[in-house]
Amino acid sequence: DAGVTQSPTHLIKTRGQQVTLRCSPKSGHDTVSWYQQALGQGPQFIFQYYEEEERQRGNFPDRFSGHQFPNYSSELNVNALLLGDSALYLCASSPGQGSEKLFFGSGTQLSVL
Amino acid sequence: GEDVEQSLFLSVREGDSSVINCTYTDSSSTYLYWYKQEPGAGLQLLTYIFSNMDMKQDQRLTVLLNKKDKHLSLRIADTQTGDSAIYFCAESSHSGNTGKLIFGQGTTLQVKP
Repeated sequence: DAGVTQSPTHLIKTRGQQVTLRCSPKSGHDTVSWYQQALGQGPQFIFQYYEEEERQRGNFPDRFSGHQFPNYSSELNVNALLLGDSALYLCASSPGQGSEKLFFGSGTQLSVL
Repeated sequence: GEDVEQSLFLSVREGDSSVINCTYTDSSSTYLYWYKQEPGAGLQLLTYIFSNMDMKQDQRLTVLLNKKDKHLSLRIADTQTGDSAIYFCAESSHSGNTGKLIFGQGTTLQVKP
């Protein structure tokens, strides 16, 4: 049983570019949440997708957007990249919005130069 | 607002017990979590406790919750060198929807042989 898988594992971009990160949830999970973890910090909630709609959003600008597909996989898009967007981006999945079990992938390390 | 605080560093000898502490502010939290992060990896769910419980034990792990003081602790018995990692405390911020977790800054546990 594959866990939460994310791609790519590492990515280097330059300021102003756009990036798309991908996540496949754990089998049987239909809810996907995205987090940003800056170096030396705890993860910060970006948003959550359920039934292909954004359900909750953290304190992130509109440059951060997402999508969920019918197979429950998800994408995180970041436009107009800033140096401060350099971080580990983590995807988490759960079997439903109300489930207490949240499982994380290994993340995508994004470096913005 | 919502906030979770942890001490930043703990050093113990192999075979000793480790106690990692956490305080949180949101009294409406439904679940409280402990995650482990090893270098270059994502977050591994160690254990979680429902907010109406005082204690939960799972093999070498014991979680204590003092809801009155909003204090959570994780005790690791017989700590091993493989337990060296960063430990994150997190609270779920919305009852019924646990996708949004508020994380602490993480406690680095160093286990000396």
